[in-house]
Amino acid sequence: ETGVTQSPTHLIKTRGQQVTLRCSSQSGHNTVSWYQQALGQGPQFIFQYYREEENGRGNFPPRFSGLQFPNYSSELNVNALELDDSALYLCASSRPDRYEQYFGPGTRLTVT
Amino acid sequence: DQQVKQNSPSLSVQEGRISILNCDYTNSMFDYFLWYKKYPAEGPTFLISISSIKDKNEDGRFTVFLNKSAKHLSLHIVPSQPGDSAVYFCAASEPSTSNTGKLIFGQGTTLQVKP
Repeated sequence: ETGVTQSPTHLIKTRGQQVTLRCSSQSGHNTVSWYQQALGQGPQFIFQYYREEENGRGNFPPRFSGLQFPNYSSELNVNALELDDSALYLCASSRPDRYEQYFGPGTRLTVT
Repeated sequence: DQQVKQNSPSLSVQEGRISILNCDYTNSMFDYFLWYKKYPAEGPTFLISISSIKDKNEDGRFTVFLNKSAKHLSLHIVPSQPGDSAVYFCAASEPSTSNTGKLIFGQGTTLQVKP
């Protein structure tokens, strides 16, 4: 059984640029959620995708957007990067009838 | 406002002893709780969960206790092993009719198990 994978592992961007992060869900899971984890904090919910549609959103501005593809993989896009966007971005997959979410290793984004 | 709180940033325990990690929450609508473990440079790993209709759930060395009246849950690890050294996160979710899949996490507690 393949777990959740994310790419890239690390990324350095300049303020104002745009970034795309990718996630492949665990086998058998059709729901994907994205979280932002700042240093020393717990993960914060950005949004969730189910059946290729956004299925709930946390307190993040519209410059954070996403996609889910027919194979259940997903992208997180962030436009107009700000220094405070520097964080670990985590993708988690789950079954729609279960609360348990399974996380990938994350993408470490640094904005300079 | 922090709806899920882990008030102890760190905990140090001797190998073989019990580790007790605590978590408090404020939202009475939460009906499912989870514990995750995180090693450096890895994503959180699901450990154990509990529904609000239960007060205890056990899985091997890990037991989670839920006290709904106090809005408090705890994770017990017995016996503690050096490999348990990690950051532990408590998370909560609202009922499935309104659930968007949003897990709300605490700030984490760093557990160190000394050999």
